[in-house]
Parts: sequence; structure tokens; C-alpha cells
Amino acid sequence: EVQLLESGGGLVQPGGSLRLSCADSGFTFSSYAIVWVRQAPGKGLEWVSSISDNGGATYYADSVKGRFTISRDNSKNTLYLQMNSLRVEDTAIYYCARDPGFSSGSDYFDYWGQGTLVTVSS
Amino acid sequence: EIVMTQSPATLSVSPGERATLSCRASQSVSSNLAWYQQKPGQAPRLLIYGASTRATGLPARFSGSGSGTEFTLTITSLQSEDFAVYYCHHRGTFGGGTKVEIK
Repeated sequence: EVQLLESGGGLVQPGGSLRLSCADSGFTFSSYAIVWVRQAPGKGLEWVSSISDNGGATYYADSVKGRFTISRDNSKNTLYLQMNSLRVEDTAIYYCARDPGFSSGSDYFDYWGQGTLVTVSS
Repeated sequence: EIVMTQSPATLSVSPGERATLSCRASQSVSSNLAWYQQKPGQAPRLLIYGASTRATGLPARFSGSGSGTEFTLTITSLQSEDFAVYYCHHRGTFGGGTKVEIK
């Protein structure tokens, strides 16, 4: 059974940092691109970042570029999101998801984690 | 940047009726479009990818169509578990969502 499990969320002050993790099981982790998608309270979905299967290619939304860094450790089947210079508007549930269509340019996210809440507030 | 626009924002439908949700892209996205369903407190669930391919295990009452800039998600004979928010998605962009509520 494919499972993605996020962790690392919490309360942080503006300007602070946080690192999210996404531990994956039930599939060959190193064969898939993985993404982060977030959802602010009561709002819609926002793509945040993507990373290719081998970690060689990374992409970011303009809203987080220069502040967030996506990475992965294929030996640990784990995805990360390092979030620096956090802003109030980064408050959201952060989901990781698998992207089987990444290499063909037709992205779609077929399995999602349950999400981890990040709250940026003073 | 491609903008995905969904309509209507809210759709009121009676159980057993058909629901038709629309998604428009600001420029052609070919058939590279996915649809997701999200219920309160849950993660999104993939329904359709490639504009018309149903995800594994998805009931046949869900269907997707369209290409280029105009796409439709149709749910025939709405069941109680289908009342939720639906999002279309192309690459790094999601539509704003359509909430399907009970009439």
C-alpha cells in the first residue's frame, strides 16, 4: 500500500525556519518525482515545489523561491522541505504527493499524505 | 503563467442528479489536466488525469472530457459521498475549486 507521511509542522515566528519531512513507503521511492502542495486555512490548493526522481531537478513557486528548498534522500525514502524566512502567509497545511507524470510533462498527483500544519505567527 | 478558472464556484445539486463542473485554461494545456476531490479535513484525492483517464478504482459515474482550454468533469447520479470540493490542475497551477453542495 502506497503511503506518504508528513511530519515537522508546528508553530514558528515570522522570520523563523522549519523543516518538513515526508516518509514514503509501499512504492519504489526513487522512481518517482514528489511534490509539496499547500492549503491555507479555508483556501484552495497551491503547488509549492517539485523534485525529480533522482533529485537532479527542482522547481519552486514564485511565492517561495529563494526561501524554501526541496530535497530528497532516496536511501531513506524521504522527502524534505526546508523553509526559511517564514511569513504569516506561509501558514497552511503542507501535503506531499507523488507525481507519476512529471517526466512526461503531464503532472498529476496520485497519492497524497495527510498533511502537516505550519502556523507562522508571533 | 497559465491561469485555471473553474466555474461555478458553488453548485447545488440534488442526490441522484448530474453535476457538470467546468475548468478553463488561459492558454492551451493540450490534455494535461487533472481533477481532484477534497472533503473537509481530508487530503485531495485524484479523480481524473490526462483530461479523461479515471484514477484506479474511481466509480464510472465520474468522467472527464475536453482538451486545449475547455474541460469538464461530469458526475452522473450524485451520491452522498460526492458532495465535496473539486479542483482542476495543470502542472503548477490549480483552479480555485468548485464546491458541490446538497440542494
